[in-house]
Amino acid sequence: GQQLNQSPQSMFIQEGEDVSMNCTSSSIFNTWLWYKQDPGEGPVLLIALYKAGELTSNGRLTAQFGITRKDSFLNISASIPSDVGIYFCAGLISGTASKLTFGTGTRLQVTL
Amino acid sequence: SAVISQKPSRDICQRGTSLTIQCQVDSQVTMMFWYRQQPGQSLTLIATANQGSEATYESGFVIDKFPISRPNLTFSTLTVSNMSPEDSSIYLCSAGTGLKGDTQYFGPGTRLTVL
Repeated sequence: GQQLNQSPQSMFIQEGEDVSMNCTSSSIFNTWLWYKQDPGEGPVLLIALYKAGELTSNGRLTAQFGITRKDSFLNISASIPSDVGIYFCAGLISGTASKLTFGTGTRLQVTL
Repeated sequence: SAVISQKPSRDICQRGTSLTIQCQVDSQVTMMFWYRQQPGQSLTLIATANQGSEATYESGFVIDKFPISRPNLTFSTLTVSNMSPEDSSIYLCSAGTGLKGDTQYFGPGTRLTVL
């Protein structure tokens, strides 16, 4: 099945740094979701985006729904050790019975 | 939001056997889904669990291998049948309302190891 391309694949950053990651697709999506997955856990929803151009924040996290509807961005400001994990984007196309297409994931490591 | 629980959280099974995974949602939801996540990989949709009718399977997944039940709006099971080591994965249940502006919430996953 189709997957969304996420970049970077992995990141090693120092505590306090800002992080940016993005997700791109050849298809248009109507909803973009960002999840974080910790080892041994299921994905936890971070931010949901429903409209092209929408910019939404959740604490230190900010995500944007790209104007073309083919991409989305997630930024984390002032990273802390608990930000470690894998971040997945997921897209939803209207009329597809709510089936999500997941990105390839970005693995974030934070060093002290 | 919905809170989703799964049982078992993990299991180690012998090849050729079957395992049934349970998923319970704390509220009535329209949509329930089953995903597989192989080690180090992203999530792949196995099927949509339809209440009171046969599940809708994605390409590459078949009912004989992954039978799914959904007897009501809050509960579903996934069986991994005739297991082989290639079935070793995390199996995840998700749920949502299916309405416009919906999101999906995930269970904690079932980590399956097949020897």
